[in-house]
Amino acid sequence: GAGVSQSPSNKVTEKGKDVELRCDPISGHTALYWYRQSLGQGLEFLIYFQGNSAPDKSGLPSDRFSAERTGGSVSTLTIQRTQQEDSAVYLCASSLVVGPAYGYTFGSGTRLTVV
Amino acid sequence: AQKITQTQPGMFVQEKEAVTLDCTYDTSDQSYGLFWYKQPSSGEMIFLIYQGSYDEQNATEGRYSLNFQKARKSANLVISASQLGDSAMYFCAMREAMDSSYKLIFGSGTRLLVRP
Repeated sequence: GAGVSQSPSNKVTEKGKDVELRCDPISGHTALYWYRQSLGQGLEFLIYFQGNSAPDKSGLPSDRFSAERTGGSVSTLTIQRTQQEDSAVYLCASSLVVGPAYGYTFGSGTRLTVV
Repeated sequence: AQKITQTQPGMFVQEKEAVTLDCTYDTSDQSYGLFWYKQPSSGEMIFLIYQGSYDEQNATEGRYSLNFQKARKSANLVISASQLGDSAMYFCAMREAMDSSYKLIFGSGTRLLVRP
């Protein structure tokens, strides 16, 4: 696609429920990142996928968070047993080339509200 | 220790004036990249400007320039001739070559408000 697509754009869920957030990166981009942005805060790294390599999961805040990337393209971030502190905007980004000189393209994010 | 520090939570500037947004960073890597992103109220992250650690010239992109002072580990963003549409959150970020995932590390941001 032309840009990074995320769905849903908004999600309201009850505490304790599981949620799945989807990211469709730019076609051909091998690197994919998930970030979390709490209200009024900066972006917090969650997880990184690069091709068929093992993902860098060092930013996942707890074992309730997991992510997968199927076929090197679409990625799903799953949050199990959601808590109110999980409320945030979840941003996905993709990059064609990985290296210190290259930024990435962000999606518009999924705003998650846990009530 | 914070890798990226933005000490100005909020800034005001008069329309058509210049404004400097501060950013300091901390790394032991010799090769790294510094980025600035703009986040309007709509929420998308818009790339503004990039500076490489080995670049000797300060980066410029239209009205945006990056005041890179390597010895001081600072990478301040200068916006010239501010416009009302510049009102947004601005994030400084760094990518290190020694990080195998090349993830961007972000500061906490500065909210800029341009006054008419």
